[in-house]
Amino acid sequence: EPEVTQTPSHQVTQMGQEVILRCVPISNHLYFYWYRQILGQKVEFLVSFYNNEISEKSEIFDDQFSVERPDGSNFTLKIRSTKLEDSAMYFCASSVDPRSSYEQYFGPGTRLTVT
Amino acid sequence: GDSVTQMEGPVTLSEEAFLTINCTYTATGYPSLFWYVQYPGEGLQLLLKATKADDKGSNKGFEATYRKETTSFHLEKGSVQVSDSAVYFCALSQNTGFQKLVFGTGTRLLVSP
Repeated sequence: EPEVTQTPSHQVTQMGQEVILRCVPISNHLYFYWYRQILGQKVEFLVSFYNNEISEKSEIFDDQFSVERPDGSNFTLKIRSTKLEDSAMYFCASSVDPRSSYEQYFGPGTRLTVT
Repeated sequence: GDSVTQMEGPVTLSEEAFLTINCTYTATGYPSLFWYVQYPGEGLQLLLKATKADDKGSNKGFEATYRKETTSFHLEKGSVQVSDSAVYFCALSQNTGFQKLVFGTGTRLLVSP
């Protein structure tokens, strides 16, 4: 069965460093999402992406964050200058077409630890 | 804004016990409601959903009914198995735009033999 994959599974970085989290969505999916979960807190929406542009973003998704689909298969989340509070589990998701009630398929997550 | 509240865990049960995980929501209009499950080392998987009031979602022996009057979507299973041990997330989405999901904090279920 097709699945969403994410790499790395765990990333440790120092405060102020740039990180890129990678996701490979399911191949025929057109809608992509990033969510994150700070330990012990809710899973929070960050951004949705369609047709090579951001369709919606949350207040969390400030200028330090960016997303890209560089090569038609990968979907990346970049954090330009990491802060301690960016430590969280980051989930990528993809969907065929959410407006037709197709579900979002999630990857296993990348645990980001900022020291 | 929209929000979801679910009971804190962990919920610890013996095999074959009855399971209830409570979920309530605050939202405008008529959102769709979901339960996602996360097994160790895996991504979130859709377990069941309901898109309108009084709908019952069901899958793998789990059920949840969309109760508009109590703004609830409690997850139930009549007889849990060890293999049901996982984290369960309640979520909603508005039926507009790209349907971002709004999640609760997740409830860990531990089932012992």
